[in-house]
Amino acid sequence: GESVGLHLPTLSVQEGDNSIINCAYSNSASDYFIWYKQESGKGPQFIIDIRSNMDKRQGQRVTVLLNKTVKHLSLQIAATQPGDSAVYFCAERRNDYKLSFGAGTTVTVRA
Amino acid sequence: NAGVMQNPRHLVRRRGQEARLRCSPMKGHSHVYWYRQLPEEGLKFMVYLQKENIIDESGMPKERFSAEFPKEGPSILRIQQVVRGDSAAYFCASSPRQGTDTQYFGPGTRLTVL
Repeated sequence: GESVGLHLPTLSVQEGDNSIINCAYSNSASDYFIWYKQESGKGPQFIIDIRSNMDKRQGQRVTVLLNKTVKHLSLQIAATQPGDSAVYFCAERRNDYKLSFGAGTTVTVRA
Repeated sequence: NAGVMQNPRHLVRRRGQEARLRCSPMKGHSHVYWYRQLPEEGLKFMVYLQKENIIDESGMPKERFSAEFPKEGPSILRIQQVVRGDSAAYFCASSPRQGTDTQYFGPGTRLTVL
């Protein structure tokens, strides 16, 4: 069935290292992808997005890569900080307004 | 510019009672979306509303759930005769213009049904 999924449920990263969070999607009709960060007890916070006509987009300390051939999305966080500890969700949108979320990857930053 | 506001942040109800969740979108946003998040899971789409109109409620349970976004005031998600399975975090998001814009989320309402 169609789904958005994350490869690993948890990721432990040393402070200062780079983090890579992966996401697989199955619907080739998806045209827009978003990464959200959710801290405990809070709502999802927009991090970065990318449209299907792009394969890379950079923000402040974050980069999103899109590989449509294998339906893979990744979020790279440079120089991971303690404040980056959270659950990260990828979401896809399929030519309308509904966002479909994966289950999330919990990132823990070790001091 | 205040973000999306939701209240209450925490709501406890006994089985059979009604739950009303409120969402005030960001200033200038006229599109509201409601999502539900069960523990350890991602968010699931419930309903999309514009002012005075329900655009898509395909993610809403057919019974007991309703949503509105009146001309004045916040959007309301109403759950009648709550059951334990309704316990979840309910998030509201808003966008400025078309439904295809980036959605910005509120802090959520955590509903606990005893």
